[in-house]
Amino acid sequence: NAGVTQTPKFRILKIGQSMTLQCTQDMNHNYMYWYRQDPGMGLKLIYYSVGAGITDKGEVPNGYNVSRSTTEDFPLRLELAAPSQTSVYFCASSWGQGGTEAFFGQGTRLTVV
Amino acid sequence: ELKVEQNPLFLSMQEGKNYTIYCNYSTTSDRLYWYRQDPGKSLESLFVLLSNGAVKQEGRLMASLDTKARLSTLHITAAVHDLSATYFCAVDDSGNTPLVFGKGTRLSVIA
Repeated sequence: NAGVTQTPKFRILKIGQSMTLQCTQDMNHNYMYWYRQDPGMGLKLIYYSVGAGITDKGEVPNGYNVSRSTTEDFPLRLELAAPSQTSVYFCASSWGQGGTEAFFGQGTRLTVV
Repeated sequence: ELKVEQNPLFLSMQEGKNYTIYCNYSTTSDRLYWYRQDPGKSLESLFVLLSNGAVKQEGRLMASLDTKARLSTLHITAAVHDLSATYFCAVDDSGNTPLVFGKGTRLSVIA
């Protein structure tokens, strides 16, 4: 059972470039989330989805886009990379939004130079 | 807006000692989660607390939840080096919002 899988694990982008962070889960979870983790700042929610075709903004959505065409996949798109987006990105999934723990992927360490 | 505060943010403790990490939150939620993160790694679920008075224990770690005080504690008993990690608490605002995390407590257990 793979759980939540993120790719790539590491990436260096130049300012203004675009990229997609991939996230897939094989637990048939309805809910999926993208968080970013900056040093000493905990995790901040970027976007989340409660099911295929439904997405919603989190605390820090600016500069990002998401889509949820299937239950399994929840890619995060950076259109015009900026240094402020240098961070570690975690994808997570859960059965529901209340009372169920979230399972996390291994993270993507992104550096924008 | 839901706020989650942990303290201390940094903790250096000797092996064999006991200590408690505190997690305060600003809502009336009765759903609280503890995670562990090793350096450069992902978050691993430790405890899920879903009611007032809930207590969970695993090895040298024990977590409890007091929803009236809006407080959860993570108690460490007789610390060992393997417990060195960052510990996060997270709160689920009664099912209406995704998890909101505290800033984490970086624990270092030294000989």
